[in-house]
Amino acid sequence: NAGVMQNPRHLVRRRGQEARLRCSPMKGHSHVYWYRQLPEEGLKFMVYLQKENIIDESGMPKERFSAEFPKEGPSILRIQQVVRGDSAAYFCASSPSSPYGYTFGSGTRLTVV
Amino acid sequence: ELKVEQNPLFLSMQEGKNYTIYCNYSTTSDRLYWYRQDPGKSLESLFVLLSNGAVKQEGRLMASLDTKARLSTLHITAAVHDLSATYFCAVLSSGSARQLTFGSGTQLTVLP
Repeated sequence: NAGVMQNPRHLVRRRGQEARLRCSPMKGHSHVYWYRQLPEEGLKFMVYLQKENIIDESGMPKERFSAEFPKEGPSILRIQQVVRGDSAAYFCASSPSSPYGYTFGSGTRLTVV
Repeated sequence: ELKVEQNPLFLSMQEGKNYTIYCNYSTTSDRLYWYRQDPGKSLESLFVLLSNGAVKQEGRLMASLDTKARLSTLHITAAVHDLSATYFCAVLSSGSARQLTFGSGTQLTVLP
């Protein structure tokens, strides 16, 4: 069992570029969650997805951020026109149909220069 | 809105000493997690607490949950340097929502 796989581990983007972060859930997990961790802070919920559906995006910034979890392939968190304040660690988690098996990936550390 | 408060935020302690980290939360929940995070690393799950009065222990760490008081504690016994890390509690929203709300973390440094 490979666990929750995130890539890339580190991503550097210039201001104004796009960042794409990928997350493959654990085998048997159909629910995906994205969290953001700013330096020296706890994790903040962004979005919760099931296959082809966004269930809860209450923590997602209204502009420049989007997420998807297609029928085939990994979940993608997309940040358009990145700014310095987007620099953070982005963690993905997955769970089976019940919410009680939360497992986190290793994270993607985004640096905007 | 669920709020989770953790204290202390910073903790320096000497090896061999005991200490407790506190986690208060504002609304009903049926699941509370404790995680450990080393610098630049992901979250390592330590404990999942499900019900009132639950107590779990692993090595020098013991976690407990009081759902009536909406309080969880993480007790460290006879600390060793390897326990230096940041510890987070996180509360699962009840109902259909599935988001975890995290405390701000306790940065623990164990001094020789």
